[in-house]
Amino acid sequence: GAVVSQHPSWVICKSGTSVKIECRSLDFQATTMFWYRQFPKQSLMLMATSNEGSKATYEQGVEKDKFLINHASLTLSTLTVTSAHPEDSSFYICSAREGDPLSSGMSYEQYFGPGTRLTVT
Amino acid sequence: GQNIDQPTEMTATEGAIVQINCTYQTSGFNGLFWYQQHAGEAPTFLSYNVLDGLEEKGRFSSFLSRSKGYSYLLLKELQMKDSASYLCAVLDSNYQLIWGAGTKLIIKP
Repeated sequence: GAVVSQHPSWVICKSGTSVKIECRSLDFQATTMFWYRQFPKQSLMLMATSNEGSKATYEQGVEKDKFLINHASLTLSTLTVTSAHPEDSSFYICSAREGDPLSSGMSYEQYFGPGTRLTVT
Repeated sequence: GQNIDQPTEMTATEGAIVQINCTYQTSGFNGLFWYQQHAGEAPTFLSYNVLDGLEEKGRFSSFLSRSKGYSYLLLKELQMKDSASYLCAVLDSNYQLIWGAGTKLIIKP
């Protein structure tokens, strides 16, 4: 159980275009989803946290108008990189957490998708 | 501020034992995770410690001392496939994961 999928697994786009990445929890309901970015040989950098039905919370330094996040259902969150530039080329990873950690009996584990490698030319 | 420290890189020999340390200073503590990440892939869950002590799971064990802000991941009977980055992450008071930079483990035959 606890499988998270991402689509596409890799994408190449031209500078100035927009790219949408989908993150789905396949066998559980994800109240909270997280979007990370990882540059080569660096650790994960949290970009934003999204809760189903509400606006995403962005980390400091992440442009919310450039990285649009929509968490429309308990199983789907999307990240749209708008007006992509070569410096946006990176490995984007989503993760999902089931339920609310403030509830009793919760698992705090985040389940990761396989990642999307974005290359902007 | 919040800070998690772990060594950048370690080298070990196939069949041996290696210990990867992690120290942390965070605003609150709701547990510590260890993840394994192979190059070009997403992290996979290894362990979760919230109480002091050692948790053993097969060849991998994880230890936590909350008073010292310290954890380690112990890998026994190393195999070549264990070559990966190992990420330490702490769940802070807001239940957000604070990530370390990761330790790249190189296994030599």
